[in-house]
Amino acid sequence: SQKIEQNSEALNIQEGKTATLTCNYTNYSPAYLQWYRQDPGRGPVFLLLIRENEKEKRKERLKVTFDTTLKQSLFHITASQPADSATYLCALDPRDDKIIFGKGTRLHILP
Amino acid sequence: KAGVTQTPRYLIKTRGQQVTLSCSPISGHRSVSWYQQTPGQGLQFLFEYFSETQRNKGNFPGRFSGRQFSNSRSEMNVSTLELGDSALYLCASSIQQGYEQFFGPGTRLTVL
Repeated sequence: SQKIEQNSEALNIQEGKTATLTCNYTNYSPAYLQWYRQDPGRGPVFLLLIRENEKEKRKERLKVTFDTTLKQSLFHITASQPADSATYLCALDPRDDKIIFGKGTRLHILP
Repeated sequence: KAGVTQTPRYLIKTRGQQVTLSCSPISGHRSVSWYQQTPGQGLQFLFEYFSETQRNKGNFPGRFSGRQFSNSRSEMNVSTLELGDSALYLCASSIQQGYEQFFGPGTRLTVL
């Protein structure tokens, strides 16, 4: 069955360092992979989308990689700040089927 | 431009009742998706509508239904509520599949 996993339930990173979050999937061939940020009590907010034929995408301090051979995406936040503390969700979009979200990784940036 | 709005924001119902939730997408967005979010299961896809047609459906029982109107506004209905239906219900709109989704603030449903 289709499965999507995000690394660890919580990740603690020192302010200023790079935070790296992982999204692994099996039995799935996504056309797109998206990353969202969710703060407590709020709906997810879109961050980045990467297509199956793209290897890497950047936006300010954010970088996403997508390896369809390894079936893995990495999400990096460089020069992390306490305001980056949130839950980060990855979502697989197959183009013609339902979107699947991971359960998310809670990121804590320690001052 | 205005974001995705959902009404009501909070709802308390008892088992066996039914509930209707409403979602107004961003102007110009024709795709509306609904999700159920619980601490244990995370964000689970319910269904997606595009131009009044249901395009995809998640693995939920038939008690969960939805529809989309010609102005792209969408409603979802849950009949014969169960305790396990307590969750945050999120609506998201996008131009079409394969593009970023914009989420509303959600409706917090509590079933007693």
